[in-house]
Amino acid sequence: DVKVTQSSRYLVKRTGEKVFLECVQDMDHENMFWYRQDPGLGLRLIYFSYDVKMKEKGDIPEGYSVSREKKERFSLILESASTNQTSMYLCASSSPGTDIGKLFFGSGTQLSVL
Amino acid sequence: GIQVEQSPPDLILQEGANSTLRCNFSDSVNNLQWFHQNPWGQLINLFYIPSGTKQNGRLSATTVATERYSLLYISSSQTTDSGVYFCAVSTEMYSGGGADGLTFGKGTHLIIQP
Repeated sequence: DVKVTQSSRYLVKRTGEKVFLECVQDMDHENMFWYRQDPGLGLRLIYFSYDVKMKEKGDIPEGYSVSREKKERFSLILESASTNQTSMYLCASSSPGTDIGKLFFGSGTQLSVL
Repeated sequence: GIQVEQSPPDLILQEGANSTLRCNFSDSVNNLQWFHQNPWGQLINLFYIPSGTKQNGRLSATTVATERYSLLYISSSQTTDSGVYFCAVSTEMYSGGGADGLTFGKGTHLIIQP
């Protein structure tokens, strides 16, 4: 089975801190994604990457950046955390294949910014 | 961008009942997936179904792409079916296939009572 691992389940940070959220997948998937999930707003795409060192903005990239130095790892960076970035962050991966673009999610990181 | 509407927003059923969840989308899609988010927040991919019909045990899904809707059927509901069901779609394909992010509906919150 595909495994997508997010480094932390819960994270508490202070306003202004630089925050790194890490995601690793073990199925050699080309594509990786970061979403955030908020009550009443559903899941919204922040950034995605379809290859090493490639990145594309999603629907809500402001205040975030990403890094993909290795195929299996995709990092989300909050340069200066703010309280409105308190959210559940979900990483996902996919690959061309039998079901092109079938998404597999990690278990999420609940980030609280105080 | 594409709009995704799911109905009903909430559904409460007794164990053993059947249910139909609907997903309407505003544009032609080449990628449609159904997910179940369990009470612990884990998102599980149920179906990759841009068109046609698929079945997996008590669950089945049908997408009528020409009429821009998809249906998820749950038969003989169990309490473990509780959670939020999301439909997600995409209209674009980057090189590598399926690399673009999905747009999610707001979900149907299903509660199965014993």
